[in-house]
Amino acid sequence: SQQGEEDPQALSIQEGENATMNCSYKTSINNLQWYRQNSGRGLVHLILIRSNEREKHSGRLRVTLDTSKKSSSLLITASRAADTASYFCATSNTGGFKTIFGAGTRLFVKA
Amino acid sequence: DTEVTQTPKHLVMGMTNKKSLKCEQHMGHRAMYWYKQKAKKPPELMFVYSYEKLSINESVPSRFSPECPNSSLLNLHLHALQPEDSALYLCASSQEPNVMNTEAFFGQGTRLTVV
Repeated sequence: SQQGEEDPQALSIQEGENATMNCSYKTSINNLQWYRQNSGRGLVHLILIRSNEREKHSGRLRVTLDTSKKSSSLLITASRAADTASYFCATSNTGGFKTIFGAGTRLFVKA
Repeated sequence: DTEVTQTPKHLVMGMTNKKSLKCEQHMGHRAMYWYKQKAKKPPELMFVYSYEKLSINESVPSRFSPECPNSSLLNLHLHALQPEDSALYLCASSQEPNVMNTEAFFGQGTRLTVV
């Protein structure tokens, strides 16, 4: 069953603006990951944040994790048209075997 | 080599056909996964192999039969599929299945159409 839920479902912004996507989950997790998918092809891993971490950065990406609220956010700064894609959060349960994906946010960055 | 290779990229099959999807990785990963993804939906976990043994089957119908011949290969055998099984089938691998840092590497998927 799906664990992560994301909002917004779709986000349309201008190039250069920041994009923020949120993810909520229901049960205890080992870690939370964000993935990107272009045009229904393979997923690309963006960033992983462990359950004992609160914030992580990677280039133009900033991820936060609030385990008390069971939520995470992904911020993409200074967006580019090439950032247009679907973004999924994924959580691994405490056993670590399952990685379950949220519903995803479709991001459109207009040039 | 950080690639997961899936073949074929596209597959059209009839409901009475038998076909197989193949997945290969040479990263020494000991966990491999099959996911199914319908249009505009997230990937849904189907199977997990850990050290070449099936560890999770998410109540997948028996017309889907996974196989892990060795640590680098993962197959998904298809038989008597239904049109609603048409989807993108994604293979993934990760270093270890039960360690915190389990980044998964995905293949480009096989787009399956059942006619």
